[in-house]
Amino acid sequence: NAGVTQTPKFRVLKTGQSMTLLCAQDMNHEYMYWYRQDPGMGLRLIHYSVGEGTTAKGEVPDGYNVSRLKKQNFLLGLESAAPSQTSVYFCASSYYPRGEGSEAFFGQGTRLTVV
Amino acid sequence: KNQVEQSPQSLIILEGKNCTLQCNYTVSPFSNLRWYKQDTGRGPVSLTIMTFSENTKSNGRYTATLDADTKQSSLHITASQLSDSASYICVVTPRPTNAGKSTFGDGTTLTVKP
Repeated sequence: NAGVTQTPKFRVLKTGQSMTLLCAQDMNHEYMYWYRQDPGMGLRLIHYSVGEGTTAKGEVPDGYNVSRLKKQNFLLGLESAAPSQTSVYFCASSYYPRGEGSEAFFGQGTRLTVV
Repeated sequence: KNQVEQSPQSLIILEGKNCTLQCNYTVSPFSNLRWYKQDTGRGPVSLTIMTFSENTKSNGRYTATLDADTKQSSLHITASQLSDSASYICVVTPRPTNAGKSTFGDGTTLTVKP
């Protein structure tokens, strides 16, 4: 099983450019999440989705947009990249919300640098 | 604001030794606490999960304990191996449950040396 796959693995952007990160899961999970991880800090939730066609804001949503047009895919968009968005981005999915004890499965991460 | 604090921030031990990582939280009311292992350059992988009614859970050489009264959890690693070198992350979820309300600790970086 592929599990959770993120595309791309690495990217360098210039300030002001836009891009989309793709997350795909093959486990038929309802819930999907986008996090960012910065050095010395814990994972912070950007946006999440509780099902196809739904999205919700997390802890740090500003500067990002998401879409969940298909159950297996969750896209994260950066409208106008800023150096503060330099980070490692992780996608995760779970069958039930994490609060009900379901394990979240994470992708391998996307390392984004904005110059 | 719900907080999760982990200690120590980093730890170096010799292969074969035991170690204990700590997680203190202020999340209340509490639903569950999960420990993840994150290898360098990879996404986190779940090690254990405990609900408020459980006080210990094991996964091989990893044993997690929970004291819901003092809001403390620990992860004990027995007979450490080089492959245990990783970041260990404590995640706490409140009640009522909500997909977006879990709080992640900053992690403890463990280095196991030969």
